[in-house]
Amino acid sequence: DGGITQSPKYLFRKEGQNVTLSCEQNLNHDAMYWYRQDPGQGLRLIYYSQIVNDFQKGDIAEGYSVSREKKESFPLTVTSAQKNPTAFYLCASSIISGRGAAGSEQYFGPGTRLTVT
Amino acid sequence: EDKVVQSPLSLVVHEGDTVTLNCSYEVTNFRSLLWYKQEKKAPTFLFMLTSSGIEKKSGRLSSILDKKELFSILNITATQTGDSAIYLCAVSVGTYKYIFGTGTRLKVLA
Repeated sequence: DGGITQSPKYLFRKEGQNVTLSCEQNLNHDAMYWYRQDPGQGLRLIYYSQIVNDFQKGDIAEGYSVSREKKESFPLTVTSAQKNPTAFYLCASSIISGRGAAGSEQYFGPGTRLTVT
Repeated sequence: EDKVVQSPLSLVVHEGDTVTLNCSYEVTNFRSLLWYKQEKKAPTFLFMLTSSGIEKKSGRLSSILDKKELFSILNITATQTGDSAIYLCAVSVGTYKYIFGTGTRLKVLA
């Protein structure tokens, strides 16, 4: 079965601790993304990666870090510098559409709900 | 600033009703508009629209784009309780850039 997995589903951490969220895909997609979803707000892009060993900041990258050592994996670390880390985090992947193309549908993982107290 | 606005924010209907969800956008580099359904966790893809006036249909769901007036609608006919979800609209504005609306929360009562 092809798809995206995220773990864990729920994560609880104390303030000041770094925490890493896992995202794995077996769809052979080149592009991967991390979004944050808060109540009353749309999905906001944290980081994206189009190729192994390369990633770009999204709109709200401060306090987060990522790595892309393998095509299948794109873990997100929420650092203690993130001022309001409690949120629902979604990972997604897609094929890379060419310049001028319409864009591609994104495939989403089931999400990780992070609570920091 | 690019933005995508969905309305209504939430909606409660009874089984069998027809609903229309709206998505309007103001972006500088429109490539496509996508609709997703988010039931519990993972949003799942419904439609991608690139051309005005061409309806996309899947069962009881249909969607159309108006690039002149900058909006799209998602119609669901003969709603069922299984249609209860958050419906997300996103606009692709670059190869990796998607602007999401806040979503419309639909609840269908039996």
